[in-house]
Amino acid sequence: DQQVKQNSPSLSVQEGRISILNCDYTNSMFDYFLWYKKYPAEGPTFLISISSIKDKNEDGRFTVFLNKSAKHLSLHIVPSQPGDSAVYFCAASVVGRDDKIIFGKGTRLHILP
Amino acid sequence: DTGVSQNPRHKITKRGQNVTFRCDPISEHNRLYWYRQTLGQGPEFLTYFQNEAQLEKSRLLSDRFSAERPKGSFSTLEIQRTEQGDSAMYLCASSFDWGRVGNTGELFFGEGSRLTVL
Repeated sequence: DQQVKQNSPSLSVQEGRISILNCDYTNSMFDYFLWYKKYPAEGPTFLISISSIKDKNEDGRFTVFLNKSAKHLSLHIVPSQPGDSAVYFCAASVVGRDDKIIFGKGTRLHILP
Repeated sequence: DTGVSQNPRHKITKRGQNVTFRCDPISEHNRLYWYRQTLGQGPEFLTYFQNEAQLEKSRLLSDRFSAERPKGSFSTLEIQRTEQGDSAMYLCASSFDWGRVGNTGELFFGEGSRLTVL
């Protein structure tokens, strides 16, 4: 039973345009959400997070939006740059309960020149 | 501190052999996690430690898998009697616990140990 779902295995976006990566979750207990980025042959690296008490968090070119009623979050990257080409993982956790972070399957983002 | 270090980076073994992976976390972190990642999948949680205590083990972790963190610093993950289905990337991550003020919940991952079972 997959609690964090990323239904798009891949996404191609023109350089300079907006990249939107989507994520759905099923566990209503999740109260903390994170996005990780992974390059080949490297471990995932943290990108941005959001608590369930917020609906938006912004850090430079990266913005995460959370819609709790729809159990949906999205990561916006604007403008997209060639170095953004990577696999992006959505992840979620229940803070203070079991504290493990559950990951989605990832979306491979290709930034086209 | 250069981050989370994992050894070996690659391991090729024959079915039935035992393998052990080591993880050295960021020194000030008290939480240490093991995840497994196969092709086309996200990291799957295996187990985690707070200091030397193993707090949770996934149902994915069969009896052939054992993890230790004897002094609350480095950790080892041993797989006994390896099977071809164990072939994967084994990722270690460390973090502060949630109780620490200002903790974003970020896990700091190592580069992983890739296991190939022939």
